Amino acid sequence: DAMVIQNPRYQVTQFGKPVTLSCSQTLNHNVMYWYQQKSSQAPKLLFHYYDKDFNNEADTPDNFQSRRPNTSFCFLDIRSPGLGDAAMYLCATSRDEEEQFFGPGTRLTVL
Amino acid sequence: SQQGEEDPQALSIQEGENATMNCSYKTSINNLQWYRQNSGRGLVHLILIRSNEREKHSGRLRVTLDTSKKSSSLLITASRAADTASYFCATDEGNKLIFGTGTLLAVQP
Repeated sequence: DAMVIQNPRYQVTQFGKPVTLSCSQTLNHNVMYWYQQKSSQAPKLLFHYYDKDFNNEADTPDNFQSRRPNTSFCFLDIRSPGLGDAAMYLCATSRDEEEQFFGPGTRLTVL
Repeated sequence: SQQGEEDPQALSIQEGENATMNCSYKTSINNLQWYRQNSGRGLVHLILIRSNEREKHSGRLRVTLDTSKKSSSLLITASRAADTASYFCATDEGNKLIFGTGTLLAVQP
């Protein structure tokens, strides 16, 4: 089945230790998104790739970076995780501005 | 920026009852979408209603949209325990989805 896959599902890191979350898709969608969702809050868009074009949200901290080496894969890099970065990170894909399909998420714990 | 406000924040009903959730938003939209999220999981797309539509049905789901009031409602009929989840409305801003605050629905068996 075509889908959005996120690895790992659970990630534990130490304060200040870089971490990378990955997302892959078999939908051949041209747009990929990264959202941050803290407990009991709505998902918040961090950035998205429209094809190869990177679009950063104005309030996304510099600590968060992203890479999209090809259509299928997109990575979220957190350079120096702080305690406040503990959250669920959701990847989503879409074809242009159509419906977004979400992965199961990666829950990040920062010790 | 947060576009949508949802109410109620939490809703507890008995199995078989109907559940209604409301969403209000602030700016003009092309469409409004509803998503469901089970605890600790990703979001699942439920239904999309375009700005020129007033009502849409999908199975036990009924969505209405009132662009003059900038509001939408999601009705789940004949609820089941498996409907227990958080429900989010989301409005489009170009490629961006702006999510509402969510309604936590608990359906008691």
